[in-house]
Amino acid sequence: AQSVTQLGSHVSVSEGALVLLRCNYSSSVPPYLFWYVQYPNQGLQLLLKYTTGATLVKGINGFEAEFKKSETSFHLTKPSAHMSDAAEYFCAVSSWDDKIIFGKGTRLHILP
Amino acid sequence: DTAVSQTPKYLVTQMGNDKSIKCEQNLGHDTMYWYKQDSKKFLKIMFSYNNKELIINETVPNRFSPKSPDKAHLNLHINSLELGDSAVYFCASSHRDTYEQYFGPGTRLTVT
Repeated sequence: AQSVTQLGSHVSVSEGALVLLRCNYSSSVPPYLFWYVQYPNQGLQLLLKYTTGATLVKGINGFEAEFKKSETSFHLTKPSAHMSDAAEYFCAVSSWDDKIIFGKGTRLHILP
Repeated sequence: DTAVSQTPKYLVTQMGNDKSIKCEQNLGHDTMYWYKQDSKKFLKIMFSYNNKELIINETVPNRFSPKSPDKAHLNLHINSLELGDSAVYFCASSHRDTYEQYFGPGTRLTVT
């Protein structure tokens, strides 16, 4: 069965600092991988996705993620954090039966 | 124009009541989903429909019954509501082959 593990339920970074949110997955087949963001009292919004091809994927709002098959990882990064980045972030992997399996989420706090 | 819309946004009701949540998407997608997000932000798929056909039916009490009158709509009816049903319910849609899901704003259900 496919699964997703997000390391750290809460991450705090200073404004302007590097954002790194960690995600590891398990999958018996080549996966599709996603990062979603959820702002307070809103639905989930797709930040970026990896399907095939280039392993470094760029998304919206300056975020990017790198698919590393050897490490089964898909970590999310942003060079410089903004206050508006404070939100819940979900890593997800597609499943053979069309399901998307979500991680438990990481709450990103931005310190002024 | 809202891509995926849900009504109502908030729903407060008493145990034992029956309630419905409606979802509509105007993206032309062929697949729609219902998710439940608990108080710890854990997101779990409940149902998925493709072209009005049920394709995913997770282990959900049969008090929950989805209905898809057409490709653009997926409603969720809940009978005999229980305290544990309190959560935020999200509708989502996608093209089946892309796995990229678009989420509605959510319906916060509170059962008292």
